[in-house]
Amino acid sequence: ETGVTQSPTHLIKTRGQQVTLRCSSQSGHNTVSWYQQALGQGPQFIFQYYREEENGRGNFPPRFSGLQFPNYSSELNVNALELDDSALYLCASSRTYNEQFFGPGTRLTVL
Amino acid sequence: QKEVEQNSGPLSVPEGAIASLNCTYSDRVSQSFFWYRQYSGKSPELIMSIYSNGDKEDGRFTAQLNKASQYVSLLIRDSQPSDSATYLCAVITGNQFYFGTGTSLTVIP
Repeated sequence: ETGVTQSPTHLIKTRGQQVTLRCSSQSGHNTVSWYQQALGQGPQFIFQYYREEENGRGNFPPRFSGLQFPNYSSELNVNALELDDSALYLCASSRTYNEQFFGPGTRLTVL
Repeated sequence: QKEVEQNSGPLSVPEGAIASLNCTYSDRVSQSFFWYRQYSGKSPELIMSIYSNGDKEDGRFTAQLNKASQYVSLLIRDSQPSDSATYLCAVITGNQFYFGTGTSLTVIP
């Protein structure tokens, strides 16, 4: 059984740029959730995708957007990057609202 | 008020002791509860899930849920140095997931 994978592992961008992060869900999982984790904080829920539709969203602005593909993999897009967007971005997959399993994360640094 | 609150610690226990980690949540309609372990620089790893009142045991770990008091706890028996990590409490409310800020646990050999 393949676990959750994310790419890239690290990324450096400058303020105002756009970034796309990718996630492949665990085999058998149809739901993908994205989180932002700042240093010393718990993960903050960005949004969740189920069957290619956004199925819940946290308190993040519209410049955070996403997609889910028919194979249940997903992308997180962030436009107009700000310094405060520097964080670990985590993807988690699950069977609907069940237990979530996290990928290794993408460390984004915005300069 | 935050949706999920945890004592940030740090919590230190000697090897072999019981570590007790606590979490409270604000929304009475929350229906699913989870404990994750996160080592420094790594992603969270699921330890336990609990959905109904009472205790749930898995090896050295016991999760306890009290919905009336809106309280979830995690007990780690026979604590090992390898248990040293940050423990995150997570709650599902509606279709949103909320994590606490985590409790840092150090097990002293």
